[in-house]
Amino acid sequence: NAGVMQNPRHLVRRRGQEARLRCSPMKGHSHVYWYRQLPEEGLKFMVYLQKENIIDESGMPKERFSAEFPKEGPSILRIQQVVRGDSAAYFCASSPRPEYEQYFGPGTRLTVT
Amino acid sequence: GENVEQHPSTLSVQEGDSAVIKCTYSDSASNYFPWYKQELGKGPQLIIDIRSNVGEKKDQRIAVTLNKTAKHFSLHITETQPEDSAVYFCAARLMDTGRRALTFGSGTRLQVQP
Repeated sequence: NAGVMQNPRHLVRRRGQEARLRCSPMKGHSHVYWYRQLPEEGLKFMVYLQKENIIDESGMPKERFSAEFPKEGPSILRIQQVVRGDSAAYFCASSPRPEYEQYFGPGTRLTVT
Repeated sequence: GENVEQHPSTLSVQEGDSAVIKCTYSDSASNYFPWYKQELGKGPQLIIDIRSNVGEKKDQRIAVTLNKTAKHFSLHITETQPEDSAVYFCAARLMDTGRRALTFGSGTRLQVQP
């Protein structure tokens, strides 16, 4: 049973470009969470999605960031017009039900030059 | 919102010794407390968790204790081994059904000296 998959593992973007991060949850999991980790810090919640719905986006910056989890395909975290402060590791986690454990993917490390 | 504080930030022990990491949380409505281990360049790995209706849980060399009155919980690793070296994060989650996000502590870097 494959775990949570994320791609790309490393992404380099110039300031002003767009970054698209993908997350495929574990088989049978329909709940996805995105977290951001700055260097030497803990993970900070960004957004929680269920298939085709955003349940909680209280941790998502109001501008430039968006997320989706379509009926078919992976969840996508999109960052428009990236700035240097967006450089971080972005992790997604999935669970089969909202009250169950969250299992994390290997992360995407975004570097903005 | 919830706030989780974690101590110590770094911990160095000799192989075979025990290691204890402590966390406190602010919101008494939190009811789920997982611990994650993160190795360099990898994602967090769930190693043990505890729910608010339980005071202690053990899995081989790892145990977690929860004191709801004091709002703190701890991770205990016995007979430490070099492969236990990693960053450990505690987390807490609210009971609110609309808010399933985990709030993480700042992490503890554990170094087990052979």
